[in-house]
Amino acid sequence: DTGVSQDPRHKITKRGQNVTFRCDPISEHNRLYWYRQTLGQGPEFLTYFQNEAQLEKSRLLSDRFSAERPKGSFSTLEIQRTEQGDSAMYLCASSPGTNHYEQYFGPGTRLTVT
Amino acid sequence: AQSVTQLGSHVSVSEGALVLLRCNYSSSVPPYLFWYVQYPNQGLQLLLKYTSAATLVKGINGFEAEFKKSETSFHLTKPSAHMSDAAEYFCAVSVGDGNKLVFGAGTILRVKS
Repeated sequence: DTGVSQDPRHKITKRGQNVTFRCDPISEHNRLYWYRQTLGQGPEFLTYFQNEAQLEKSRLLSDRFSAERPKGSFSTLEIQRTEQGDSAMYLCASSPGTNHYEQYFGPGTRLTVT
Repeated sequence: AQSVTQLGSHVSVSEGALVLLRCNYSSSVPPYLFWYVQYPNQGLQLLLKYTSAATLVKGINGFEAEFKKSETSFHLTKPSAHMSDAAEYFCAVSVGDGNKLVFGAGTILRVKS
């Protein structure tokens, strides 16, 4: 059990550029979640996957955001045409099952849009 | 809608003193509740969880929390604060079929020597 990993840890980009983040969950965890955390706030849910199926998306996830989890393993979160308001910590978490199991979080990717 | 409220955005205690971080929840169904800790520039680490078994839940690092349905509370306590406990603490409730977590705004714990 190597834990949830995220890459990159930090990303600085200019407004209007596209960025992609990667999350590798704990192996055999079939649920994977993305959250966004802004300064001074708790994490907010963005979307989650059950294996390769994306089952729920928050209203926070505008059409500039897209997430995938091919083959039910790692996941990517892409933000197109970044805006300064996208600056935040993006957290990934995985969970072993459906019975309100705890979620294990990665270290996060801090995005700064200049 | 299910939600949590954390009372006090900042709490300061002396080393060795009792730690009490407050969390109240709102839920129309039996809740599943969690406490997480976050150190600067890191992800969240699970401290403990309540899943309708025992109302007093023991977690890591000497923390525990008591579920009180009548008060809709799930306060986090530790008998004796240590300098290493300084961090931000989040209370969360699991919501819906997807078990997504809804978090409170967090409480920053400061431990004075």
